Amino acid sequence: GIQVEQSPPDLILQEGANSTLRCNFSDSVNNLQWFHQNPWGQLINLFYIPSGTKQNGRLSATTVATERYSLLYISSSQTTDSGVYFCAILGGSARQLTFGSGTQLTVLP
Amino acid sequence: GAGVSQSPSNKVTEKGKDVELRCDPISGHTALYWYRQSLGQGLEFLIYFQGNSAPDKSGLPSDRFSAERTGGSVSTLTIQRTQQEDSAVYLCASSLTPGGTEAFFGQGTRLTVV
Repeated sequence: GIQVEQSPPDLILQEGANSTLRCNFSDSVNNLQWFHQNPWGQLINLFYIPSGTKQNGRLSATTVATERYSLLYISSSQTTDSGVYFCAILGGSARQLTFGSGTQLTVLP
Repeated sequence: GAGVSQSPSNKVTEKGKDVELRCDPISGHTALYWYRQSLGQGLEFLIYFQGNSAPDKSGLPSDRFSAERTGGSVSTLTIQRTQQEDSAVYLCASSLTPGGTEAFFGQGTRLTVV
């Protein structure tokens, strides 16, 4: 099946800093989503982005499907951005999302 | 409904008992997925439904696990003779169709087997 690798595994930032999270995948992609898992365990949809670039407030994402990677940018980070960020891929003939192992982000006040 | 709803939010059960976890997907979503997340781990795929059919059961960890979906809507995940290693958060998601449409997750059911 498709392999999904996220980096870095852990990231600690001071409030106000910018960051880039990366997701590499091993196969062609039909669906790519970025999620934020908050401290209560809820998975919040950030972006549905199988290709191209999208922006939502301080967050933006870019997927370059031909080079098999996606990037999530967080600007002017806030403490409420803390949590785990997951990239999830639907590739090949699969019908379910395969998740990466996540990036644990901690934003310090 | 407005979002994916799961019940109960928390379940504590004794080892050896059976449990049923419920998922109510977004209205009109034909695809429904179950995942499991153990403490501090990523998401492990269990099973998905297209309508009432489950084309892919490959992720179910053992024959103690089963799932059904009725009326193309509500799904139930049943774990028989629970073991301590079944303790995890069970997450349900739905999407308009299986494959290339956006999936939305419920808040999860935290299962603790004591």
